Amino acid sequence: DTEVTQTPKHLVMGMTNKKSLKCEQHMGHRAMYWYKQKAKKPPELMFVYSYEKLSINESVPSRFSPECPNSSLLNLHLHALQPEDSALYLCASSQTSGNTGELFFGEGSRLTVL
Amino acid sequence: GQSLEQPSEVTAVEGAIVQINCTYQTSGFYGLSWYQQHDGGAPTFLSYNALDGLEETGRFSSFLSRSDSYGYLLLQELQMKDSASYFCAVKRAGGFKTIFGAGTRLFVKA
Repeated sequence: DTEVTQTPKHLVMGMTNKKSLKCEQHMGHRAMYWYKQKAKKPPELMFVYSYEKLSINESVPSRFSPECPNSSLLNLHLHALQPEDSALYLCASSQTSGNTGELFFGEGSRLTVL
Repeated sequence: GQSLEQPSEVTAVEGAIVQINCTYQTSGFYGLSWYQQHDGGAPTFLSYNALDGLEETGRFSSFLSRSDSYGYLLLQELQMKDSASYFCAVKRAGGFKTIFGAGTRLFVKA
């Protein structure tokens, strides 16, 4: 199983809503990532979890709150978002050792904030 | 700081060879990766170079020169399905921080 699964695929929310994005992988990877991608732009790193602990936060606003409940799951809790937060949110996972450098991405959750 | 530069767009014909260059400036460099992303799809890993030299995987090859802070992706026998965006990405900071270049949009014409 070499798949990263993200739900939901599409999400529309108002600025006062609270919602969550979910990500799951069963490859035994102990590093998991959230990236944000705007149209025609590269993925932009938001958070990295290593062994279920937050190891990198790229100065992301607190209206985005990540959570890693276990080694297979990664959530991104969303609250009081702004329209400019509309984007494709990509989850990825990778090995923590070895030298392949490979990130495995999910298909993403396309978020629209009204 | 860090920066990666790659051409914004490249056009080539089916069956041809195309090279996409990437120059980078970053501290704590671990390696250079290449990803392909079709419109509406997820980025997919193509190759990774940690050491100088050429890595070949089928029709795709990737090259790295650490002394020149330069790499390239070579695509041979181009097919229409190769039309996509290609990102170079630098792996740094303990290996968990992968930062992407702006991407090169490849158009393959018949």
